[in-house]
Amino acid sequence: DAGVTQSPTHLIKTRGQHVTLRCSPISGHKSVSWYQQVLGQGPQFIFQYYEKEERGRGNFPDRFSARQFPNYSSELNVNALLLGDSALYLCASSPAGASGGFSYEQYFGPGTRLTVT
Amino acid sequence: DAKTTQPPSMDCAEGRAANLPCNHSTISGNEYVYWYRQIHSQGPQYIIHGLKNNETNEMASLIITEDRKSSTLILPHATLRDTAVYYCIVRVAYNQGGKLIFGQGTELSVKP
Repeated sequence: DAGVTQSPTHLIKTRGQHVTLRCSPISGHKSVSWYQQVLGQGPQFIFQYYEKEERGRGNFPDRFSARQFPNYSSELNVNALLLGDSALYLCASSPAGASGGFSYEQYFGPGTRLTVT
Repeated sequence: DAKTTQPPSMDCAEGRAANLPCNHSTISGNEYVYWYRQIHSQGPQYIIHGLKNNETNEMASLIITEDRKSSTLILPHATLRDTAVYYCIVRVAYNQGGKLIFGQGTELSVKP
């Protein structure tokens, strides 16, 4: 079975531009989360989506937005890029729990390496 | 969410057991201990989780102290491919928010 896939693998953008990153979850997983990982730090939570609705948001500015599609794939959009947005962007999918919550057995994709110059 | 404390780095000889400690003295009764690892330039990988009993799977063993204030992840026979950053995370098993809070982790270097 395919794992979580992300595209593109690498991306170079200029300050002020916008970027769209894409994620396809594991088949059958309805929850997708996005994380930002700056070099030398652990991943930081950006968003979680479940059934096309935002279920959680981390401490990121409004320049960051995301959406989830009917097939459960997801896009992360970042506007007005800053040098500090250079990072590895990770997508994770997970199945919903029986109680409606979300298991922490999250499955991560390989990430998209974004460089802002 | 309970905070965790891990040593920033550890070394282990190939073939020996790697014991990675984690302190979580403020853990609540309904919070689980999760371990993930991240091999360089890859996404984090789930390893194991537990509530209060010791757990074992094909990757590792998790030993949680009786007072649940600390735990140890054990890789019984470390290989060079186990070189990675290991993250200890404490959280309720199921949560409407769904987020994982990563700390700095422990960078494990397995040496020949």
